[in-house]
Amino acid sequence: DAGITQSPRHKVTETGTPVTLRCHQTENHRYMYWYRQDPGHGLRLIHYSYGVKDTDKGEVSDGYSVSRSKTEDFLLTLESATSSQTSVYFCAIKHRVSTEAFFGQGTRLTVV
Amino acid sequence: AQTVTQSQPEMSVQEAETVTLSCTYDTSESDYYLFWYKQPPSRQMILVIRQEAYKQQNATENRFSVNFQKAAKSFSLKISDSQLGDAAMYFCAYRNHPNAGGTSYGKLTFGQGTILTVHP
Repeated sequence: DAGITQSPRHKVTETGTPVTLRCHQTENHRYMYWYRQDPGHGLRLIHYSYGVKDTDKGEVSDGYSVSRSKTEDFLLTLESATSSQTSVYFCAIKHRVSTEAFFGQGTRLTVV
Repeated sequence: AQTVTQSQPEMSVQEAETVTLSCTYDTSESDYYLFWYKQPPSRQMILVIRQEAYKQQNATENRFSVNFQKAAKSFSLKISDSQLGDAAMYFCAYRNHPNAGGTSYGKLTFGQGTILTVHP
């Protein structure tokens, strides 16, 4: 699993509340990614990071922000959660040696 | 932008039989990578097989093989001797080659997924 841990694994939150999801890695990989998985859409990229404090938008970034203040942590924040953000969220890294992508276990977020 | 299309939302196969999952993609790049990922009910994303576009030989991994048709932009996955443990959602994915440059190297573009059911 390339030492990737997502937290929390499950969360139910109310519309309009802020939510932060955490991705933690222990192997010093430079590239980290946040995807969301929805039926009929597969996984879609939200934001990615190519180094500490270096981030960029993916294809579905509206309503999300990210931060990476240290190599091992990549945070995804929903400033004001909406029902359309109910989804399963995956963090991934690009392995610095094999260059393969490895995924966390996913976080199921429900916005009610 | 690249796109990946899986036109089969669901497929089924009898145990020990062979099944082929389809994937087409669109890109203007000549060098890239293609992948098949398996997602069982545990939700874990598992890499099944990888193909590099500059390699003409189709990739194989035990019972899993691909039919890579670069000109047609087609990348199908064949599962031989299907087992109950093969039941899962399968995703086709595309990734740019490092030579494409930029900081977006490494990001994956996924298809919609195909749910594979294996009947005993």
